[in-house]
Amino acid sequence: GDSVTQMEGPVTLSEEAFLTINCTYTATGYPSLFWYVQYPGEGLQLLLKATKADDKGSNKGFEATYRKETTSFHLEKGSVQVSDSAVYFCALSEGGATNKLIFGTGTLLAVQP
Amino acid sequence: EPEVTQTPSHQVTQMGQEVILRCVPISNHLYFYWYRQILGQKVEFLVSFYNNEISEKSEIFDDQFSVERPDGSNFTLKIRSTKLEDSAMYFCASSESERATQYFGPGTRLTVL
Repeated sequence: GDSVTQMEGPVTLSEEAFLTINCTYTATGYPSLFWYVQYPGEGLQLLLKATKADDKGSNKGFEATYRKETTSFHLEKGSVQVSDSAVYFCALSEGGATNKLIFGTGTLLAVQP
Repeated sequence: EPEVTQTPSHQVTQMGQEVILRCVPISNHLYFYWYRQILGQKVEFLVSFYNNEISEKSEIFDDQFSVERPDGSNFTLKIRSTKLEDSAMYFCASSESERATQYFGPGTRLTVL
């Protein structure tokens, strides 16, 4: 079945460092891809999404490009801040008859001042 | 900004007891979901609900689980006879339409002793 694999955490960076969190997926069709973020004590919030190949999702300085040839959707940010410390979840939705989300395990990002 | 709320934030129960987890979705949303995350594992889809009936459920969602929208605002997940392996964080989500963004609540941590 469809699945999502993302890099293990925790990822610890200094403020203003470059961030990459890897995400790859397995899907039989053409899924939509998402990054959700969970700040401490809060729910999962949609960070960005892409619905077809070569689309780039972006929000709050974060970007991810839907790469069908490598089945990847890596999350990047050029300069992280302490306030970006959170757990980041990659997810896909198969579409078609289902709208359930399939998640990766989540990656904890800790940004130090 | 409208948000999904969940109560309680933490529930401790004895094995074999019934628990009801409560969610208040965003008021104009029509699609409702439950997901769970066992500690250290992926966020897993449990069930989706629309028009007062289950539209999709996972293998996890067996006869011990049920969902209900008892009034115009609440959406509940009931576990009839809890097992140790039901210990997890349970997330409720809602969306305005079938393919729209799913908005998540902060979760209820269920601990079964």
